[in-house]
Amino acid sequence: DIQMTQSPSSLSASVGDRVTITCQASQGISKYINWYQQKPGKVPKLLIYDASSLETGVPSRFSGSGSGTYFTLTISRLQPEDIATYYCQHYENLLYTFGQGTRLEIK
Amino acid sequence: QVQLVQSGAEVKKPGSSVKVSCKTSVDAFSDYVISWVRQAPGQGLEWMGGIIPTFGTASYAQKFQGRVTITAVESTNTGYMEVTNLRSEDTAVYYCALGLQLQYWGQGTLVTVSS
Repeated sequence: DIQMTQSPSSLSASVGDRVTITCQASQGISKYINWYQQKPGKVPKLLIYDASSLETGVPSRFSGSGSGTYFTLTISRLQPEDIATYYCQHYENLLYTFGQGTRLEIK
Repeated sequence: QVQLVQSGAEVKKPGSSVKVSCKTSVDAFSDYVISWVRQAPGQGLEWMGGIIPTFGTASYAQKFQGRVTITAVESTNTGYMEVTNLRSEDTAVYYCALGLQLQYWGQGTLVTVSS
């Protein structure tokens, strides 16, 4: 099975900062990775699909990049409402694997 | 607007089973991937399995093979997920999610396993 390793597991940043979360796959996965945001007590929300496509309605400060085994989610200018846990996820042939999550806090 | 409405919270004894439903409002239900994801208290998201109703055969994470059954009824646009032989570690919120990229999510169903 393909494993997805996220880092860091948590991070603290200031409003306006550029924030990057990484996800490494245990083997090459082409572009089949999605990113989700889960705010405390809420349902997860799709942010980025297929590595770099922005889901409709998601602010443009969110972006994704990468291919093969290394992927990143970037928030260009952190906002207070971005406090959440972020998950990467690989999918292929109706099998899905989540990363362990990155908890983002505001300094 | 796509809506997924899940069945209500459950309290179960160890060794028993639970079946959670997920009714969708989507058109072309049969062609969508329906996934089930669980989240134990304070833990991350864990994909359990999924099904495409038009194909009928479900796919499962290795951890849940043999103990979880995922089905779908096309006539009612409803997905189901059953877990058997429940243990305390199965206490979690169970979500259904629709779409290849899990674009749409149900509200979650809390299943508590306790003697």
